[in-house]
Amino acid sequence: GDSVTQMEGPVTLSEEAFLTINCTYTATGYPSLFWYVQYPGEGLQLLLKATKADDKGSNKGFEATYRKETTSFHLEKGSVQVSDSAVYFCALSGRGGSNYQLIWGAGTKLIIKP
Amino acid sequence: GAGVSQTPSNKVTEKGKYVELRCDPISGHTALYWYRQSLGQGPEFLIYFQGTGAADDSGLPNDRFFAVRPEGSVSTLKIQRTERGDSAVYLCASSFNTGGTDTQYFGPGTRLTVL
Repeated sequence: GDSVTQMEGPVTLSEEAFLTINCTYTATGYPSLFWYVQYPGEGLQLLLKATKADDKGSNKGFEATYRKETTSFHLEKGSVQVSDSAVYFCALSGRGGSNYQLIWGAGTKLIIKP
Repeated sequence: GAGVSQTPSNKVTEKGKYVELRCDPISGHTALYWYRQSLGQGPEFLIYFQGTGAADDSGLPNDRFFAVRPEGSVSTLKIQRTERGDSAVYLCASSFNTGGTDTQYFGPGTRLTVL
C-alpha cells in the first residue's frame, strides 16, 4: 500500500544553517504531497503542498519539489531560525482511488539552537 | 475565523469505560476526518464524513469505535469499553471539499489516556 518515509530525527542545527529533511513515498496513481508542521503545544498546520510532478510548494522560506522520478518531496530552507523548531510531517493524499485520506510519515523533530 | 475545535483537550478514563470526543469543524466545510496519533508516529486515518454520512470508515480499528455527524457539522467519536491501547491523541480535521488537493485543517486534538 501507499507509504511515506521520512528521515529520522531529531535534527539539530544552528541558527542560519541550511535545512534538508528527506521524504520519499510509495504510491499508486498520482498523489498530492504535503508538508505539515506541528509547533510545540499546537495542532498540525499545513506548511506547503504540491499537487503534480515538478510542482514546487513554498511557504515561510521553506520549499519542496515533487519529484516523480525519485518519488521524493524533500523539505528545504536556506537559513533556519530558532522559531522553526517543531516537528515536520510529510504526507500524501490518497490510497488508490481514495484521494482524501492522508498517509503520513513518522515526523521529524527539528531543533534549532541560537 | 474560527478553526477546528476539539473537546475535551484531555481525557483520562479507566479501562472498560465509554468516552465521547467532540469535533467542531470550520463553518462551511463539508468534509470531516478523524485521525489517531500515537506517540512518535504520524497520524493514522480513522474515518471520513462527507456531509452527514460516513463515506469511509475503513480505518476504525474495531467495532468499539463509532463516529457520528448527525447534522453535517459537529462530529462525535465514540469509544466503548476502552482499552489501554486506545491511549493516543485523537485528531479531527475538516476541508471545504474532498479531493486529494484540498487542504485539511486540523484541530488541536484530544489526548486520551486509558488507565
